[in-house]
Formats: sequence, C-alpha cells, structure tokens
Amino acid sequence: SQTIHQWPATLVQPVGSPLSLECTVEGTSNPNLYWYRQAAGRGLQLLFYSVGIGQISSEVPQNLSASRPQDRQFILSSKKLLLSDSGFYLCAWSVLGGGWIGELFFGEGSRLTVL
Amino acid sequence: EDQVTQSPEALRLQEGESSSLNCSYTVSGLRGLFWYRQDPGKGPEFLFTLYSAGEEKEKERLKATLTKKESFLHITAPKPEDSATYLCAVQAETQKLVFGQGTRLTINP
Repeated sequence: SQTIHQWPATLVQPVGSPLSLECTVEGTSNPNLYWYRQAAGRGLQLLFYSVGIGQISSEVPQNLSASRPQDRQFILSSKKLLLSDSGFYLCAWSVLGGGWIGELFFGEGSRLTVL
Repeated sequence: EDQVTQSPEALRLQEGESSSLNCSYTVSGLRGLFWYRQDPGKGPEFLFTLYSAGEEKEKERLKATLTKKESFLHITAPKPEDSATYLCAVQAETQKLVFGQGTRLTINP
C-alpha cells in the first residue's frame, strides 16, 4: 500500500532563517506531488506541484521554492523566512495523468511558526 | 476564476441529529468534486469523488450529492467521532484542486 511521510512535524524558526521540509512517497511510482499551505481559518492554498523529476510548477510567487530530486521525494525550501510563512504545510500525491488529478492523498503536515 | 464556497463555517449538532453541509462552486468545465475530512492537526483524508450532476456516493453515515452548481454532504444520525472539518474541492480545466474553507462540524454526545 502507498504511504506518504512528511517531516519535520513541528518547527519554530526565526525570521530570516532558512527552511527545508521534506516529503517522500512509498508504494507508487511517478506520482504527481503537491505542496499546500493552510493558514489558520483558511482553505488550502496550492504552492507547488510536480508531475516528474525536476518538473516544478509554482502557483504563488513568494520566497518559497520546491525541488524534486528523486521520483518520490519533494522538498519545500526557503532561504529567508518571513513572518507570513507561518502555517500548516501539507504534502500530497496523486497518480492520475493526462490532466486529471483525481483524489489527493495527504501527509500528516508540518506546523511552521516563524517568530 | 474558479471559486468554492462552503457553508456554514461551523455547525454544532447533537448526536443523532441529521444535517447537511453545502459546497457551492463556480468553475469552467468541472472535472471532479472532492470531499475530504480533516481532524485537528492532521492532513485531510479523502472521502468521495463526484464527477457529474446527479451522482451520489455513500460511506457509513455520510452521503455526498452533486448538482450543476453545488454539492451536499448529508450526515445521518451522526456520532461524536464524526466531529471534524469537512473540506470540499473542485478540479476544473487546470492541474490543481481549488479548496473551500471548510465546515467545522461538532457532534455533542
């Protein structure tokens, strides 16, 4: 069966520090991968998605970046965090192609607090 | 611009009191409508996919229905363990899901 791992679960970082969140998927190959952010009391905002190694699409211009160094690994990074980067970050995967997303399967999330 | 609006924002019910959650959407070319359940501090858990108006899906005490403009998530005789935030999302002619803000459901014993 497929599983998704996301870490760290919780982190507190000072403004201006770097960030790295990692996500890996097991039990499937060539998944579509997604990074979402969920601010308090708000819906899920799509940040990045990837349909293959090295292929990253950005939805929101900001100081975050994403990379996909391996088929089942997705990394969210920042060189300098802002207060507004605080939130709950979720990695997700799906398997459909041809323009279809299908259902997304989410990780447990990473709670980021920037002070 | 594709939009998804969920109502109410919060709903408090007594155990056994049936009700419905609403998800209204404005998209061009609906490919699919999805319902998720999210427990506090956790990632959303997939519940249903609906593809066309008139379609219905059921799972235990939950039933999702779809029209051309909205979807309903009906909860029959809910139990306290049904308490969660329920999210609705749509996929239109793009490679992304657009999510609503969710309905926070509380079932009191």
